[in-house]
Amino acid sequence: KQEVTQIPAALSVPEGENLVLNCSFTDSAIYNLQWFRQDPGKGLTSLLLIQSSQREQTSGRLNASLDKSSGRSTLYIAASQPGDSATYLCAVRPKETSGSRLTFGEGTQLTVNP
Amino acid sequence: NAGVTQTPKFQVLKTGQSMTLQCAQDMNHEYMSWYRQDPGMGLRLIHYSVGAGITDQGEVPNGYNVSRSTTEDFPLRLLSAAPSQTSVYFCASSRGQGINQPQHFGDGTRLSIL
Repeated sequence: KQEVTQIPAALSVPEGENLVLNCSFTDSAIYNLQWFRQDPGKGLTSLLLIQSSQREQTSGRLNASLDKSSGRSTLYIAASQPGDSATYLCAVRPKETSGSRLTFGEGTQLTVNP
Repeated sequence: NAGVTQTPKFQVLKTGQSMTLQCAQDMNHEYMSWYRQDPGMGLRLIHYSVGAGITDQGEVPNGYNVSRSTTEDFPLRLLSAAPSQTSVYFCASSRGQGINQPQHFGDGTRLSIL
């Protein structure tokens, strides 16, 4: 059974710092990996989707990498801002499942201090 | 463009009551799904649908029913509410069954069962 782990569970950094969030998964048979952002009391917003054949995706100050063979992904946030404070979730789409079901990690709660 | 709309946003029920959580999307997405989010458990798939008239079970389907009579709507029914069903419920949709289509989430329904 696919399991997704995110470390650390919480992270607090000063504004302007570059940071890395980590995601690991146990089964490399995936179609893609997706990073989401969740603000308190809100739903999930898709940030980046990396296909299994890709190594990385970039959007603005965000860069996500994927090493499928080692079961790891990182989300790099450059020049962090207080507005980046949120919970970041990663999810994989396993090949073993039908439909578009995702397997989620529990998230990293990020706080960027002014 | 409203995206994925969930109603109600909050609900309190007594054990044994039934209710329906509504989900509607205006993006003409074929794929829709329901997740529940619990502390320490992450998001878990309850039911999903790959198109009108087609539904299937996810990871934690017991105690819930779904139907998909139209492309736009995917309601989730709690048959006889139990305290274990206290959770935040999210509806998601994506275009077709495309392997690399990102999923779009609603803002959630926060449900408490007393």
